Amino acid sequence: QSVLTQPPSASGTPGQRVTISCSGSRSNIGRNYVTWYQQLPGSAPKLLIYSNDQRPSGVPDRFSGSKSGTSASLAISGLRSDDEGDYYCAVWDDTLSVFGGGTRLTVL
Amino acid sequence: QVHLVQSGPEMNKPGASVKVSCKASGYSFSNFGISWVRQAPGQGLEWLGWISGKSGKTKFIQKLQDRVTMTTDTSTSTVYMELRSLRSDDTAVYFCARGSSVYYYSLVFDMWGQGTKVTVSS
Repeated sequence: QSVLTQPPSASGTPGQRVTISCSGSRSNIGRNYVTWYQQLPGSAPKLLIYSNDQRPSGVPDRFSGSKSGTSASLAISGLRSDDEGDYYCAVWDDTLSVFGGGTRLTVL
Repeated sequence: QVHLVQSGPEMNKPGASVKVSCKASGYSFSNFGISWVRQAPGQGLEWLGWISGKSGKTKFIQKLQDRVTMTTDTSTSTVYMELRSLRSDDTAVYFCARGSSVYYYSLVFDMWGQGTKVTVSS
């Protein structure tokens, strides 16, 4: 059972903007950086966002991250069919349960 | 080019041990650490622990503390994770991932191995 809560699913149509939330507490999101990973079917996870809102080189600016208090969000604009997959937030917590449960994104 | 290449799939009986390797290339091994993350079938990601490529220091999740060992071989830039007393719920794909050499709590993994499937079954 993760201490980071994500909705199990999200969906959108091509071109739309979708957001995925990650809810935590003062002991994790409230005091540490949030990282986001994308896992496409059959693949290893890929770093999408780090330090709450920073994109590694090569990640399109369609992906953006934000954090406020004890919650964080990942926004994907201009949704594409190849964005379909699982998305995980990750935040350090001393309970060592560091990943959110994941959100499966479906592009309709 | 940076690569993390993991060893092949493993099938083990309950109570046995498994040792998974992760060979790094394309970067200075001591400048980074390696975390291990597993994913049970149909489930999410679970961080297991970290080892520094610089100091060999380790940090594990408490529930695996007595069953897991992580080591490095700096001569071959390889990290090993050994899991003992295997149980059926250890069945998962195990990933190695590159991160900080100093901060075990940094969860920024910019490179991942391809994953190693470990099956525990009698």
